[in-house]
Amino acid sequence: ELKVEQNPLFLSMQEGKNYTIYCNYSTTSDRLYWYRQDPGKSLESLFVLLSNGAVKQEGRLMASLDTKARLSTLHITAAVHDLSATYFCAVGMLNSGGSNYKLTFGKGTLLTVNP
Amino acid sequence: GAVVSQHPSWVICKSGTSVKIECRSLDFQATTMFWYRQFPKQSLMLMATSNEGSKATYEQGVEKDKFLINHASLTLSTLTVTSAHPEDSSFYICSASLVVGLAGRTRRDTQYFGPGTRLTVL
Repeated sequence: ELKVEQNPLFLSMQEGKNYTIYCNYSTTSDRLYWYRQDPGKSLESLFVLLSNGAVKQEGRLMASLDTKARLSTLHITAAVHDLSATYFCAVGMLNSGGSNYKLTFGKGTLLTVNP
Repeated sequence: GAVVSQHPSWVICKSGTSVKIECRSLDFQATTMFWYRQFPKQSLMLMATSNEGSKATYEQGVEKDKFLINHASLTLSTLTVTSAHPEDSSFYICSASLVVGLAGRTRRDTQYFGPGTRLTVL
């Protein structure tokens, strides 16, 4: 059974600081996703990482994937209040029919950026 | 592009009644849609995979007779919570997997999520 572990689960940081959220998973996969969720809202896709060594950046967020270590990171640079949200990683596994990727989510990291 | 809608966005019902939630892909066709449930302050749990024109595949522990899924067309899947009870109160989110769509701007292996439906059973 695939297990996806995120840490930390709660992160309170000051504006301007840097921090990293970690996502470990237990089974080999070549699809790793990061999503953002604001309170009461659905998921917003941030990154899709498709290969070992993949690195993607968007604004103050940068995600990377190490498939050998089964680890993905989401790095936050110079945090601002608007980044406050819950961040989920999800691992994609191809279904038995080979037609779609089933997602298994981590528990999420609640990020609070304080002024 | 790649917009997924859900209706209703919230619903309150009495215990024992049935509730239907619709999930539509607005600008693309989705042969596969997924239904998730999210309890407060918890992660998303996949309930079932819905395939157009065939029976849904339910995850272990999800009662197929309680959560009826119908995927009648390439743009619509419905989830019916039958004989709802307070423990079914949750945030239900659907997603659609793109099969054909906006060339060069969307990926087959990306799920696009709907805005969610908050169900409260009294």
